[in-house]
Amino acid sequence: NAGVTQTPKFQVLKTGQSMTLQCAQDMNHNSMYWYRQDPGMGLRLIYYSASEGTTDKGEVPNGYNVSRLNKREFSLRLESAAPSQTSVYFCASGVLGPSRTEAFFGQGTRLTVV
Amino acid sequence: GQQVMQIPQYQHVQEGEDFTTYCNSSTTLSNIQWYKQRPGGHPVFLIQLVKSGEVKKQKRLTFQFGEAKKNSSLHITATQTTDVGTYFCAGTLISSGSARQLTFGSGTQLTVLP
Repeated sequence: NAGVTQTPKFQVLKTGQSMTLQCAQDMNHNSMYWYRQDPGMGLRLIYYSASEGTTDKGEVPNGYNVSRLNKREFSLRLESAAPSQTSVYFCASGVLGPSRTEAFFGQGTRLTVV
Repeated sequence: GQQVMQIPQYQHVQEGEDFTTYCNSSTTLSNIQWYKQRPGGHPVFLIQLVKSGEVKKQKRLTFQFGEAKKNSSLHITATQTTDVGTYFCAGTLISSGSARQLTFGSGTQLTVLP
């Protein structure tokens, strides 16, 4: 059981380049999330998807787009990378209900924009 | 929007000392979760609290949920070097469209000195 799989694990981009971060989960979860983690800032929500076919902006969506391709996959795209987007990106999926909430995280993507 | 604040940001303790991190929300939470992230790793779910005033224990870890469901704490008794990492609280926010998003605190980074 792989859980949440993110690719790539590391990436270096030049300013202005584009790329897509891939995320897939095999736990049949409806909810999927993209977070970025910067020193001292905790985990900030970029976008989330409560179910297949729906996406919503989180706290820091500017400069990003997402696609919920199917129930398993949720990708994050940087159209024109900027140095401010240097960060560690985590994808998560989870059970989010009134009586049970638990999120499962991927291993993370360490992105550097130069 | 919902704010989940966490203090302290950093904590250094001598092995064997106790440690506490506190989490406060600007709004009433339906539940709260705690996660641990080891250095270089990804957040891993520890526990969920749902009921007002709830207290749960996991070996040396004690978790509390406030009576008003706006604050929570994690207390570690007699820390060990294996406790090193960043501890996050997370609250569930229900958006206007009923989608649930998970909002994380900024985390407390624990260093245990041998």
